[in-house]
Amino acid sequence: QQQVKQSPQSLIVQKGGISIINCAYENTAFDYFPWYQQFPGKGPALLIAIRPDVSEKKEGRFTISFNKSAKQFSLHIMDSQPGDSATYFCAARTRGAGSYQLTFGKGTKLSVIP
Amino acid sequence: ETGVTQTPRHLVMGMTNKKSLKCEQHLGHNAMYWYKQSAKKPLELMFVYSLEERVENNSVPSRFSPECPNSSHLFLHLHTLQPEDSALYLCASSQPAGPRGTGELFFGEGSRLTVL
Repeated sequence: QQQVKQSPQSLIVQKGGISIINCAYENTAFDYFPWYQQFPGKGPALLIAIRPDVSEKKEGRFTISFNKSAKQFSLHIMDSQPGDSATYFCAARTRGAGSYQLTFGKGTKLSVIP
Repeated sequence: ETGVTQTPRHLVMGMTNKKSLKCEQHLGHNAMYWYKQSAKKPLELMFVYSLEERVENNSVPSRFSPECPNSSHLFLHLHTLQPEDSALYLCASSQPAGPRGTGELFFGEGSRLTVL
């Protein structure tokens, strides 16, 4: 059972365009929604994150939009650059007694072409 | 340098071998994690260790055995693996869960495992 569904699987965007990646979740116990960016040969790294009491969060060219009632959230990359080419994972968090447990989407491979 | 170091970066082993993956974190965190990353699948949480708890994903086969001797080191012992276990194994660490915790996981670069 996949608890976080991510789409599209791959995305090709022209330089300067807007990249949009969507995620949907089912578990209402999730309390934090991060996006991770992974370059080839590297581990994932936190890009931006949002709490469910906020509808939008913006950091530079990256924006998360969050719709709690629809259980959906999305990542928007404005003015996409070739350096943004990477795989992006949405995730949703539950909190254990002493740790965090992230459930990840399958990932979106973004290619930004010049 | 991510603060989370994994060795070896690449490992090729036969199905009858016994090997171990090692992870070390230099961030002062006290929760550590093993994730499995396979092509076209979500990152799969395998094990979590913190001061308060150990969490296991019940779907992980017993041929994977974790060990966490202290808050800075984490091992994944491998024995009699199958070819379908070939994947990238990622270690991560985080601050303690709590009101001020951000929930950010810091990942290592992974150990690429190939089982022949």
